[in-house]
Order: sequence, then structure tokens, then C-alpha cells
Amino acid sequence: DAEITQSPRHKITETGRQVTLACHQTWNHNNMFWYRQDLGHGLRLIHYSYGVQDTNKGEVSDGYSVSRSNTEDLPLTLESAASSQTSVYFCASKAGGHTEAFFGQGTRLTVV
Amino acid sequence: AQRVTQPEKLLSVFKGAPVELKCNYSYSGSPELFWYVQYSRQRLQLLLRHISRESIKGFTADLNKGETSFHLKKPFAQEEDSAMYYCALSGGLTGGGNKLTFGTGTQLKVEL
Repeated sequence: DAEITQSPRHKITETGRQVTLACHQTWNHNNMFWYRQDLGHGLRLIHYSYGVQDTNKGEVSDGYSVSRSNTEDLPLTLESAASSQTSVYFCASKAGGHTEAFFGQGTRLTVV
Repeated sequence: AQRVTQPEKLLSVFKGAPVELKCNYSYSGSPELFWYVQYSRQRLQLLLRHISRESIKGFTADLNKGETSFHLKKPFAQEEDSAMYYCALSGGLTGGGNKLTFGTGTQLKVEL
């Protein structure tokens, strides 16, 4: 069965370190998204990609970057982790148009 | 710009009582609206979408373009309905409607 997986599930890192969160999907979806989930803010879009070599900034992209070298993966990198980036991160993928998005299990990141 | 507003952070109802989770949206084009649900410690999953006009787990939602609303309703709440509910909008001027924007979510608590 097709799926979307995130790794690691939990991560503790120190302020200033570079961190990369992995997202891998086997749906063969062109569209992939990264969101962060925070109390009172819901899900906020960080970056998204409509296909290989395409990346776009979302509403809270500062301090984050993504790359899309193949269809299956969209890794999210925190260039220099800050305490404000402590959050739960969700990756999602969807086919084109008004179709359902499928979500990963989430990664809980703590920056100390 | 596309925006989704969920005015209630928390909604508490008794088992068997009617439920209405409010969602309003802002979008200049013709959007598609969704409701996603997140049960405790699980990934987000699609509950229902406007275009399919279906009822899932007793929930329904009607798109009111005049009021730009897509409220989620259920006539009789069940304990297993306790979860976080997110309203989402698919739209965007580019990408053929691939960008998914979420509201801040409403935590539904069904009490016995």
C-alpha cells in the first residue's frame, strides 16, 4: 500500500544546530507540503513543492529550507535551530487539483 | 490570498447533543473545502469534502457561498467524536488548486 512516512518521530536538538527532517511518500504525488502544528495556530504552511526541482515558500518559511530532487522525498532543513522552532511538524502529499491530502505521522522537534 | 477561520478553539458538548463546528473562508476564486480530523496522537485524516457531498460518521457540511462558510454538523455527538477538527481550503492562483490552507482547528470534547 502507498504511504507517507516521516523520520525521525522525535528529535531533540540544541540551539544553532542544523536539523533535517525527512519525508518520503510512495503515492507518486507531485505535490508535497510541510506544516508545523502549534497550539492556537493550527497548521501553518512552511514550504511546498509542486514537482521535482520546484519549491515555494509558505507563510512561515523563515529559518527553513526544502529541496526536491525526486518525486518521493521532500526533506525539511532548519538551518540554525531556534527555540521558536520547537513544534510538531507534518508532511503531506496530494495529487493534482482538489484532491485529498495524505499526512505523515508527524515529527516532534524540541530545540533546547 | 486564501484564509480559513475557525472561531472556536474548544467546543464541549454532552453525548447525544448536536454539534456544529464553524468554519469561514476567504478566497477570490472557486474553492474546494475539506474537513480533516486528528484523533489523539494520530495523523490527520480526511473526514469529508464538499465536492463529494457525502456524510461520514454522521457528519455533514454544507458550503454556503453567500456567507463563505462550511460549518461541520452532527445531530448527535458520540464519545468517539472527541478530536481536533480542521477546516481546510484548496485553491490558489497557481498550481491548479494544489495548495491546501488550514484553519487553526477546533478541539471537540464530548462529555458523558
